[in-house]
Amino acid sequence: SQQGEEDPQALSIQEGENATMNCSYKTSINNLQWYRQNSGRGLVHLILIRSNEREKHSGRLRVTLDTSKKSSSLLITASRAADTASYFCATDGMDSNYQLIWGAGTKLIIKP
Amino acid sequence: DTAVSQTPKYLVTQMGNDKSIKCEQNLGHDTMYWYKQDSKKFLKIMFSYNNKELIINETVPNRFSPKSPDKAHLNLHINSLELGDSAVYFCASSEKTGMNEKLFFGSGTQLSVL
Repeated sequence: SQQGEEDPQALSIQEGENATMNCSYKTSINNLQWYRQNSGRGLVHLILIRSNEREKHSGRLRVTLDTSKKSSSLLITASRAADTASYFCATDGMDSNYQLIWGAGTKLIIKP
Repeated sequence: DTAVSQTPKYLVTQMGNDKSIKCEQNLGHDTMYWYKQDSKKFLKIMFSYNNKELIINETVPNRFSPKSPDKAHLNLHINSLELGDSAVYFCASSEKTGMNEKLFFGSGTQLSVL
């Protein structure tokens, strides 16, 4: 079953602008992870935020988690053409036997 | 060196054929997975092995049979291929099974059944 739902489905912005993607989920979680998938490639882990954390940074990435709203956001600052990819959230639900449940992704296009 | 490598990258075959996809990881991880990504980009877990033992077997037709000869390898054999099997299949690994594990993915095998 699909737990995560990314929003928007697609996002097109100019290089240099910030990109924000959102993820909503349905059940209580242990953690939430964000992954990037370049076209024709496998997914690459970006960041993991635990259920007791509210914000995490990694380079130009900022992830927030609001467990009361069951939602997370991924902010990419100062976007670059190389950030063009699909971004997925995955949740490790408390009842999921450590299986990650995935959303359908946000397709991000950075225009030069 | 590629951390998680799977072959072939592309697989085009006729309905009814049997095919295999191979996966190897050189990360020393205990846990390996097979995922299916459909045309809408939804990722769904198919199988998970921990140290050669099957730990997750989702509702997958028994035409799909995983085999793990050792903890660094997890192969997927598919019998009697059907049109609906067309998808991208990803192998992945994690250090172990449990909370807060991040996955390392192979580059995928695009299977087209004609």
